[in-house]
Amino acid sequence: AQKVTQAQTEISVVEKEDVTLDCVYETRDTTYYLFWYKQPPSGELVFLIRRNSFDEQNEISGRYSWNFQKSTSSFNFTITASQVVDSAVYFCALTLNAGNMLTFGGGTRLMVKP
Amino acid sequence: DTGVSQDPRHKITKRGQNVTFRCDPISEHNRLYWYRQTLGQGPEFLTYFQNEAQLEKSRLLSDRFSAERPKGSFSTLEIQRTEQGDSAMYLCASSLTQGGNEQYFGPGTRLTVT
Repeated sequence: AQKVTQAQTEISVVEKEDVTLDCVYETRDTTYYLFWYKQPPSGELVFLIRRNSFDEQNEISGRYSWNFQKSTSSFNFTITASQVVDSAVYFCALTLNAGNMLTFGGGTRLMVKP
Repeated sequence: DTGVSQDPRHKITKRGQNVTFRCDPISEHNRLYWYRQTLGQGPEFLTYFQNEAQLEKSRLLSDRFSAERPKGSFSTLEIQRTEQGDSAMYLCASSLTQGGNEQYFGPGTRLTVT
């Protein structure tokens, strides 16, 4: 069975600070996909990124960047120069190749204060 | 907007009543998923369909729960004899067939059982 752990339940930062959200996963499969989703106060989960297990290249998209390290089973998410609009709950999730059910972590609530 | 839609957005019901929720996926997506999210937790997988076939059901899906996708388009989730423990947000998502493809979520149906 697979498992996703987000050890940080809540993080509070001041606007313009950089913040990293941690995600550690467990699976015995060699083929899997990792995701990050954002859940703003409105409640709808918004897809941010997908990474497959064969691609360890880090990715940057604007102020967002992701660091995937198979050696430590981690897929961390960094927001640079945080903004108040980044305030949300962020979920890391995992799916295996054989089926698409997502296994979510418990989420990290990020509060960005002005 | 051609995203995933869910109806109703909110449902309050008395214990013991039956409720039914509807999900309309993104039109070209042939996979449809149901998740349940309780306060402060990540979403938990309930079941998913590929076209009209229900391919997997979680152990969370008790006998009181039934899901259908009769024509491979919209889906319904019915809960019979609701209990207070059924109070949660019920999320629907859809995706394309290939493994690992990102799931797009609807706004959810918040169920309150009094």
